[in-house]
Amino acid sequence: QVKLLQSGAALVKPGASVKMSCKASGYTFTDYWVSWVKQSHGKSLEWIGEIYPNSGATNFNEKFKGKATLTVDKSTSTAYMELSRLTSEDSAIYYCTRSDTLDYWGQGVMVTVSS
Amino acid sequence: DIQMTQSPPSLSASLGETVSIECRASEDIYSNLAWYQQKSGKSPQLLIYYASSLQDGVPSRFSGSGSGTQYSLKISGMQPEDEGVYYCLQGSKYPLTFGSGTKLEIK
Repeated sequence: QVKLLQSGAALVKPGASVKMSCKASGYTFTDYWVSWVKQSHGKSLEWIGEIYPNSGATNFNEKFKGKATLTVDKSTSTAYMELSRLTSEDSAIYYCTRSDTLDYWGQGVMVTVSS
Repeated sequence: DIQMTQSPPSLSASLGETVSIECRASEDIYSNLAWYQQKSGKSPQLLIYYASSLQDGVPSRFSGSGSGTQYSLKISGMQPEDEGVYYCLQGSKYPLTFGSGTKLEIK
């Protein structure tokens, strides 16, 4: 069965960066785009962007350009998202999900930005 | 960006009641509309895609309809496990955008 297993929660200082992972299993990793979605506390969902593992091609929400970097490691079927120059506004849960219908989701990574 | 206006923000329903949630897009999204259910502390789960296609494993009491800019999710016969927050998502144009959510509770 399709699974997306994300890395654990992170507590990071303002101004720092954080890199999280999303390990896919149960399907051919290179056949599907992987999207990343942000959910701030008690709020709705925001699409950050997506990456196509086969080519590394990306599409981004303009709001997150310069904030998020998406990469993949095809050898381990793992997608990564790095968030840079963190502020309190980046404190949220971040999900990876398989595109294009966002049909399978990881369990989410809680990122807390605090000094 | 395409704005997704979802209504109502919250809803309370009795067991067995039929419930409808609406999403209106700011422009035609050509049925590129999905519905998700999110239970407390869990990841969203896909219910409906392409406006009316039922995701595998989702109970048949869930159905979707609509076209153009207007879409709806119907739950025919509310069950206790249907409590949660429901979101619509448009996939017609980048960036993908979600509705603001509808919190559904048992009355």
